[in-house]
Amino acid sequence: AQSVTQLGSHVSVSEGALVLLRCNYSSSVPPYLFWYVQYPNQGLQLLLKYTSAATLVKGINGFEAEFKKSETSFHLTKPSAHMSDAAEYFCAVSALSGSARQLTFGSGTQLTVLP
Amino acid sequence: NAGVTQTPKFQVLKTGQSMTLQCAQDMNHNSMYWYRQDPGMGLRLIYYSASEGTTDKGEVPNGYNVSRLNKREFSLRLESAAPSQTSVYFCASSEVSGGGSYEQYFGPGTRLTVT
Repeated sequence: AQSVTQLGSHVSVSEGALVLLRCNYSSSVPPYLFWYVQYPNQGLQLLLKYTSAATLVKGINGFEAEFKKSETSFHLTKPSAHMSDAAEYFCAVSALSGSARQLTFGSGTQLTVLP
Repeated sequence: NAGVTQTPKFQVLKTGQSMTLQCAQDMNHNSMYWYRQDPGMGLRLIYYSASEGTTDKGEVPNGYNVSRLNKREFSLRLESAAPSQTSVYFCASSEVSGGGSYEQYFGPGTRLTVT
């Protein structure tokens, strides 16, 4: 079984400041890991994914995440926050169940960007 | 290329009423999923279909039924709606075949209120 913990349900940063959203996972097999973003009243959009290639993964909108096996972490960062980054962010871990890949989501982190 | 589409966008039901949420994808994906999203709980898997002709229970299947009508369409039925089923429902699809990275693509959601 796999699980995801996102530390901090709400994070506030000033515009131009570093964004750091934390995600820790547990998985009995090598995981695939994902970050999704959800803007108000919309569905989820893939930001980036780790699939056992490079441990530093770059995604859309300037976000990146680093897979650290020893820490079972996959934290999301962005060097400089923009007002348009305000949204809810979900970390997810994927594992094979039967013949389908299931995603297990964290509870989400709401990011607020202050002017 | 519309991706994943869901109908309706909004629905209000009275306790005991039934309804079917529709989902279709045009990406030729084998796997499809239904989630519900509740505040502070992330997304929880209701049912999934690994391929046409198969369906399996997820984390929270009670009170729901599904039908994989064909490769494109996957519907979710509430036979007797309850206030606890007030939620936002998301459909997703993914490709599980070899070489895929298994990310899921999400529809825009259906906001259901049961009074």
